[in-house]
Amino acid sequence: DAGVIQSPRHEVTEMGQEVTLRCKPISGHDYLFWYRQTMMRGLELLIYFNNNVPIDDSGMPEDRFSAKMPNASFSTLKIQPSEPRDSAVYFCASNDRGRGYEQYFGPGTRLTVT
Amino acid sequence: SQQGEEDPQALSIQEGENATMNCSYKTSINNLQWYRQNSGRGLVHLILIRSNEREKHSGRLRVTLDTSKKSSSLLITASRAADTASYFCATAPSYNQGGKLIFGQGTELSVKP
Repeated sequence: DAGVIQSPRHEVTEMGQEVTLRCKPISGHDYLFWYRQTMMRGLELLIYFNNNVPIDDSGMPEDRFSAKMPNASFSTLKIQPSEPRDSAVYFCASNDRGRGYEQYFGPGTRLTVT
Repeated sequence: SQQGEEDPQALSIQEGENATMNCSYKTSINNLQWYRQNSGRGLVHLILIRSNEREKHSGRLRVTLDTSKKSSSLLITASRAADTASYFCATAPSYNQGGKLIFGQGTELSVKP
């Protein structure tokens, strides 16, 4: 299996622009998680899906952030408009709860908002 | 709020020495997991210990869990330079039956050759 795939790996954008991050989970996994990692706040769970349905979005910082999962093999995290404080590494992870909660992480997208 | 707090924040040792990292948490858990993150990479799962287990081994890794103290430790024996990474504990809260995990702030381990 190719593992969790994220794109792009790096994104540099100007404040106010829309940013879309993409994730393809491991085939057969029914949970998908979006995290944000910064030096100041560590690794934060933003939102997670089960069977394509959002279960808990309490970690989404503001209305500027939105996430979708239109099918079992694709999810997006959108920031509109972006701000410099959104600069972070965004990780997507997936798992199959039947295998005991171990999460498989993608390589991350490093977002820089200038 | 963060569930896990890790100690120490940073650890520097010589190759061949053992490294011990500790994690404390606040609420009841289903299991506790340890992950490794190499610089610029995603997290990689190392080991999972269930709430009814007290100790678990995997290769050079040994994990203990004390639910009465709400704490866990990760021991890496005979460390190697390649073990240099950040190590995170993550808890699966009992109140959440989904796959949600709450991560600690991590311990940055440096193993010098």
